[in-house]
Amino acid sequence: RKEVEQDPGPFNVPEGATVAFNCTYSNSASQSFFWYRQDCRKEPKLLMSVYSSGNEDGRFTAQLNRASQYISLLIRDSKLSDSATYLCVVNNPEAGSYQLTFGKGTKLSVIP
Amino acid sequence: SQTIHQWPATLVQPVGSPLSLECTVEGTSNPNLYWYRQAAGRGLQLLFYSVGIGQISSEVPQNLSASRPQDRQFILSSKKLLLSDSGFYLCACHGTGPVDPLHFGNGTRLTVT
Repeated sequence: RKEVEQDPGPFNVPEGATVAFNCTYSNSASQSFFWYRQDCRKEPKLLMSVYSSGNEDGRFTAQLNRASQYISLLIRDSKLSDSATYLCVVNNPEAGSYQLTFGKGTKLSVIP
Repeated sequence: SQTIHQWPATLVQPVGSPLSLECTVEGTSNPNLYWYRQAAGRGLQLLFYSVGIGQISSEVPQNLSASRPQDRQFILSSKKLLLSDSGFYLCACHGTGPVDPLHFGNGTRLTVT
C-alpha cells in the first residue's frame, strides 16, 4: 500500500462550486498533516496544517479522521485562482519526525 | 521567517556532464535541509536530507550526491548526468521545529539532453 494516496483527478468544477479532496495514509503513527498547493511549474506552497479537531481558513476546511486514516480538504465557493494541484502531506515517524511524505496530488481546474 | 534561495532556475545539460545546484537559506540557523525531485507528472521524491554541517542522509541510490559545507548551504551534485535525472529539483527546510511544515525554494528545472 502506498504511504499517502490521493485521487489524481482532474476535478473540473464550475466557479462557485464546493469541492472536496480526500487523502489516505498508511502509517497510523503519523502525527503531522498538511495540505500544500502547487501551481503549474512552481514550487509547492503550504496551504494549511491539519489539526485533530479540524480547522478552517476562509473558504478552506481541513479535517482529520485518525480512525480511518484519512484527511480531507473542502473548498467552498471555488474561484478560478484555486486551479492548482493539491498535495496531501504526512510525516513519517519511522524516518524521524524530520521527514514528510507527499502524495502525488489532486489536480483541480475551476471553470468559468 | 526563512527565505530559501535556489539557482539556477532552469538548466539544460547534456548526458554525462556534471551538475551542481546550490541552495542557501536565510532567516534561520541550524535548519534541517532537504533536496526533493519531482519528475514530470509525478510526486515529490526525497533525495537527501541534512540535520547539520557535513551530515547527509541519502534516501535513494542514484548517481547524485549532496553536501552541506556551511550551516545554511546545501549543494546537490552529480559527476555524470543521466537522462533520468531530468526533473524539477527543490530545496526545502523546516520552520522552527521538526514537526513544522516544509518551505520550498523556487526550484531548478533540469533537462538532460
